[in-house]
Amino acid sequence: EIVLTQSPDFQSVTLKEKLTITCRASQSIGSRLHWYQQKPDQSPKLLIKFASQSISGVPSRFSGSGSGTDFTLTINGLEAEDAAAYYCHQSDTLPFTFGPGTKVDIK
Amino acid sequence: EVQLVESGGGLVKPGGSLRLSCSASGFTFNNYGMAWVRQAPGKGPEWVSSISHSSSFIFYADAVKGRFTASRDNAKNSIYLQMNSLSDGDTAVYYCVRSPSSGVYDVFDNWGQGTMVTVSS
Repeated sequence: EIVLTQSPDFQSVTLKEKLTITCRASQSIGSRLHWYQQKPDQSPKLLIKFASQSISGVPSRFSGSGSGTDFTLTINGLEAEDAAAYYCHQSDTLPFTFGPGTKVDIK
Repeated sequence: EVQLVESGGGLVKPGGSLRLSCSASGFTFNNYGMAWVRQAPGKGPEWVSSISHSSSFIFYADAVKGRFTASRDNAKNSIYLQMNSLSDGDTAVYYCVRSPSSGVYDVFDNWGQGTMVTVSS
């Protein structure tokens, strides 16, 4: 099973700040890594697919990069509505797995 | 607009069974792979099962293999998850999700609102 680790576990940030979340895979997964945002009492929402591909309707301040085993999600200019948990997910190898999540709080 | 609506969750005793349903609309259902993903309280999402567009391929997480059965009815735009021999480790919100391709090795681009399954005596 491919294990995904995320860092940090939790981040408290100020508005307009830049935030970077990392996701590391236990083995190479190419670019088959996706990012989701989940706000309290809501379903996860797709933010970035295949490491760096943007999703229609997602603000441009969200971007992704990486390949192989190391990936990053960057939020440029954090807004209040970005307070949420963020999860990475790999679709390269069964069983599909998710990272443990990064909780982002706005100071 | 893509809509995925789950139903069938509830409270069940350990060892019991439950059948979840997911009704899809807003897209050509028989062209897309579908999946079930669950999320235990306070935890991250966990993939449960994926089913290809024609049901040719169905895969399960080890934690549910032999106990859960996924199926779909393309005529009814629906997928199902039959869950047997439930234990408290199965307590979670169960989401119906879509993959934007006919297969299963893909992103989960649309999620339902989820249905809660609670296993407790």
